[in-house]
Amino acid sequence: DIQMTQSPSSLSASVGDRVTITCRASQSISNYLNWYQEKPGTAPKLLIYAASSLQSGVPPRFSGSGSGTDFTLTISSLQPEDFATYYCQQSYSAPCTFGQGTKLEIK
Amino acid sequence: EVQLVESGGGLVQPGGSLRISCAASGFTFNGYWMHWVRQAPGKGLVWVSRINGDGSGTNYADSVKGRFTISRDSAKNTLYLQLNSLRAEDTAVYFCAREADYGANDYWGQGTLVTVSS
Repeated sequence: DIQMTQSPSSLSASVGDRVTITCRASQSISNYLNWYQEKPGTAPKLLIYAASSLQSGVPPRFSGSGSGTDFTLTISSLQPEDFATYYCQQSYSAPCTFGQGTKLEIK
Repeated sequence: EVQLVESGGGLVQPGGSLRISCAASGFTFNGYWMHWVRQAPGKGLVWVSRINGDGSGTNYADSVKGRFTISRDSAKNTLYLQLNSLRAEDTAVYFCAREADYGANDYWGQGTLVTVSS
């Protein structure tokens, strides 16, 4: 099975900050990497698919990059509604494993 | 509008069984792979299972293999997950999700809570 490791596990930042979250796969997954945002009591929301493609309706302050084993999610200027937990997921092969999550908190 | 609505969750004793459902609407159901993902209280997302459009292909996480069975009924536009030999560690909110480009899950249901406890 492919293991996904996110860092950091938690992050404190302020509105307007630029934030980067990283995700590493235990083997090459090409660009089969997705990013989700999760807020308590709501379903996860797809932000980025295929490592760098912005899902329809997602603000352009979100961006993704990477290929192979190393990936990043960047939020260019944090907004109050961005404080949430973020997960990466590989969809290269089943089981379609998630990272452990990164909780983004207000500083 | 794409909608996924889960149902069937509840309290079940260890060793018991439950079938949860996901009613789909707003898209051509048999044209998409469908997934189940779960989230234990206060924990992260864990992928559980997926099934292809005609139901002929399935995959499972090792933690549920042999205990859970994913299936679908195209006539009812409904996805199912049969949960057998339930354990306390299976307690979670179970989400169904549609698979889109590059295997990403673009639409999710609101989840149904399964609690395994005596």
